[in-house]
Amino acid sequence: DAGITQSPRHKVTETGTPVTLRCHQTENHRYMYWYRQDPGHGLRLIHYSYGVKDTDKGEVSDGYSVSRSKTEDFLLTLESATSSQTSVYFCAISGAGQLSYEQYFGPGTRLTVT
Amino acid sequence: GQQLNQSPQSMFIQEGEDVSMNCTSSSIFNTWLWYKQDPGEGPVLLIALYKAGELTSNGRLTAQFGITRKDSFLNISASIPSDVGIYFCAGSGGTSYGKLTFGQGTILTVHP
Repeated sequence: DAGITQSPRHKVTETGTPVTLRCHQTENHRYMYWYRQDPGHGLRLIHYSYGVKDTDKGEVSDGYSVSRSKTEDFLLTLESATSSQTSVYFCAISGAGQLSYEQYFGPGTRLTVT
Repeated sequence: GQQLNQSPQSMFIQEGEDVSMNCTSSSIFNTWLWYKQDPGEGPVLLIALYKAGELTSNGRLTAQFGITRKDSFLNISASIPSDVGIYFCAGSGGTSYGKLTFGQGTILTVHP
């Protein structure tokens, strides 16, 4: 199994509070991704990183920001959480070249915004 | 953006039966992948396909990259209870940085 951990695994927070989710990898992979999973929508890309300090938006990036100061860590921040951001969040990593499409997922973080 | 339609949405089968599911795209894809997700866990990569017409097996699982490059198929032979889960297709039209589009998933239930 790819060495990916996510923290916290579960979080309940109130509307309007900031929240940061962490993804940590031990594989030294270049690419990292944040997805959210909601019933009926599959997995939707929020943001991704193609190197240290190199990030870009995915299809559902509004209300989210990311940072990657080290190869192994990719942080997802909800600046002011809303109920629509209640979801399960997954981090994924992949290597370079053709292997960049073979993404390996972390265990997920279940976030509830009340 | 690119969209994937995965079918069926759910399947209820008896242990020992074979299973087929498919995924279609509105545009040409250069890469197709299939994932399985168990309850409470992240998706796990099952099979990756990189060439039109390619047929690849992983144990009882077989996946095909459609000739039109707009579809892919996953077959599971002789299903067992541990096959239960959600199966996702994913694909890319060749965008950079490994970005994928995911289907909505097929929920598989296997009755002993």
